[in-house]
Amino acid sequence: GAGVSQSPSNKVTEKGKDVELRCDPISGHTALYWYRQRLGQGLEFLIYFQGNSAPDKSGLPSDRFSAERTGESVSTLTIQRTQQEDSAVYLCASSRWARGLDTGELFFGEGSRLTVL
Amino acid sequence: GQNIDQPTEMTATEGAIVQINCTYQTSGFNGLFWYQQHAGEAPTFLSYNVLDGLEEKGRFSSFLSRSKGYSYLLLKELQMKDSASYLCAVSAWDLSYIPTFGRGTSLIVHP
Repeated sequence: GAGVSQSPSNKVTEKGKDVELRCDPISGHTALYWYRQRLGQGLEFLIYFQGNSAPDKSGLPSDRFSAERTGESVSTLTIQRTQQEDSAVYLCASSRWARGLDTGELFFGEGSRLTVL
Repeated sequence: GQNIDQPTEMTATEGAIVQINCTYQTSGFNGLFWYQQHAGEAPTFLSYNVLDGLEEKGRFSSFLSRSKGYSYLLLKELQMKDSASYLCAVSAWDLSYIPTFGRGTSLIVHP
């Protein structure tokens, strides 16, 4: 597709269940980022991929959160044993260039809205 | 981002000019972004500044002063559709070059 695609767009789950969120970046974009946005808040960095390696996992809030990426394409963010405080919009973004170089514009997906009951 | 500050909310009148400020404290500055985010939608890119000065793009302009750790987004001839959240993000060495966002400024444009 032409843009960053995320699925599901909405997910309602019960506390304690696992959820998997998917991101399909723009073709050819090597860098991929996951951010979390709680209601009325700014974007909170979670994890960054350069290709399929994750050089920066510093933003993952706990060991219940993990992410992987296949080559330079699809990434999945997994949240195990969800808690109510995990409720947020999870945004994925991709960019053409690696960090530290001419930092490229981030292209965002529409996000996955997660509600934990 | 704890080192990036912007006002929480601003209001303005249709047709007017509004300036949204962003201040930051970082080491090894590598660029500053402004994004627009309408409610329930993805952020979209507005501008990128890495050198001091003013970058103009239609009704929107962005200014950067690296020595002062300061940027502003200037919106002219405001339209109702400009009501949105405006996000300032910084890339820097001490932020591992990860674009790090402020909390965003919610702009409300009144008729």
